[in-house]
Amino acid sequence: EIVLTQSPGTLSLSPGERATLSCRASQSVNSNYLAWYQQKPGQAPRLLIYGASSRATGIPDRFSGSGSGTDFTLTISRLEPEDFAVYYCQQYSSPSRTFGQGTKVEIK
Amino acid sequence: QVHLVQSGGEVKKPGASVKVSCKASGYNFTDYSISWVRQAPGQGLEWMGWISGYTGNTNYLQKIQGRVTMTTDTSTSTAYMEVRSLRSDDTAVYFCARGHYLDYWGQGTLVTVSS
Repeated sequence: EIVLTQSPGTLSLSPGERATLSCRASQSVNSNYLAWYQQKPGQAPRLLIYGASSRATGIPDRFSGSGSGTDFTLTISRLEPEDFAVYYCQQYSSPSRTFGQGTKVEIK
Repeated sequence: QVHLVQSGGEVKKPGASVKVSCKASGYNFTDYSISWVRQAPGQGLEWMGWISGYTGNTNYLQKIQGRVTMTTDTSTSTAYMEVRSLRSDDTAVYFCARGHYLDYWGQGTLVTVSS
């Protein structure tokens, strides 16, 4: 099983600031099959990024993904009020998919 | 447009079984797999398994294998997940989602296990 470790656990930032979220895998994620999701309270998760760096349909370009192998990053260039939420990475490289434990982006 | 609509919430006693449905529309059901993900109260997302919409092949999280069965009915474009021998720590919101990267999600089904 590929274990995904996200850091930091909580990120306290102000609107307009840049957010950098990390996702580290215990072994290489083949073909960069790594996705990022946003979840707000009481809602289903929403796909932001797939294939490590491809934005999903309708996702604003302030969201970007990068990385390969075992180290991946989600960057939000300028935080908007609606971006304060929990973010999860997920690998779909191995038959047994796994999620990271999540990073909460909160208002400072 | 793609929609995944799940069945309603359930309250079950420990040891019982629950079967959650996920009806898909707006795309060719057999072109995509369906994954199931659960979220215990206040916790993160836990992938439970997936089923191919075309072949019916499955892959389950090892720790629940033996208690969970995922099936599909291609005639109604519906996926099902059954969990048996329910325990209190199975209390969670259960989501279905489309594909390998999960681009569309159901609304979630709260399953409460309590005596």
